[in-house]
Amino acid sequence: GIQVEQSPPDLILQEGANSTLRCNFSDSVNNLQWFHQNPWGQLINLFYIPSGTKQNGRLSATTVATERYSLLYISSSQTTDSGVYFCAVERGSDKLVFGAGTILRVKS
Amino acid sequence: EPEVTQTPSHQVTQMGQEVILRCVPISNHLYFYWYRQILGQKVEFLVSFYNNEISEKSEIFDDQFSVERPDGSNFTLKIRSTKLEDSAMYFCASGAAYGYTFGSGTRLTVV
Repeated sequence: GIQVEQSPPDLILQEGANSTLRCNFSDSVNNLQWFHQNPWGQLINLFYIPSGTKQNGRLSATTVATERYSLLYISSSQTTDSGVYFCAVERGSDKLVFGAGTILRVKS
Repeated sequence: EPEVTQTPSHQVTQMGQEVILRCVPISNHLYFYWYRQILGQKVEFLVSFYNNEISEKSEIFDDQFSVERPDGSNFTLKIRSTKLEDSAMYFCASGAAYGYTFGSGTRLTVV
């Protein structure tokens, strides 16, 4: 099946710093989503982005489908950005395959 | 924004007991899913459900698991005889052409 690799596995930032999270996938996909898992365990949908670029406030994402990667940018990070960021992809069959996540800690 | 609603948010059960996790998907979605996340691990697919039947299931989804859509709005996951290793966060999701929406999860603790 399709493989999803996320990097870095852990990231510690000072409040106000910017960061880039990466997601590589092993095959072409018809869906890619970024999720934020908050400290209460909830999975919050950030972007549905099988290709192209989207922005939502301080967050933006770019997927280059032909090169099989996606990037999530967080600018001016805040402590509330802390948590785990998951990339998940879908290829053909109707299910998402998740990466292992990036644990982000933003320090004040 | 439409939401997927899950109940209960947390359930503690004794090993060997049956549990039913409940979900109300987004009303105009046709595809429904259950995923599981063991503490500290990645989110894993369990089962997908379309047109009142299972369309795909993972190796994890063995005979102790079942899913049902008992009425037009609810979607349930039943675990017949819980084991310690079933302790996890269980997420319901519903899907449409523009992606999947996940519920807030049910944290199941088997003691």
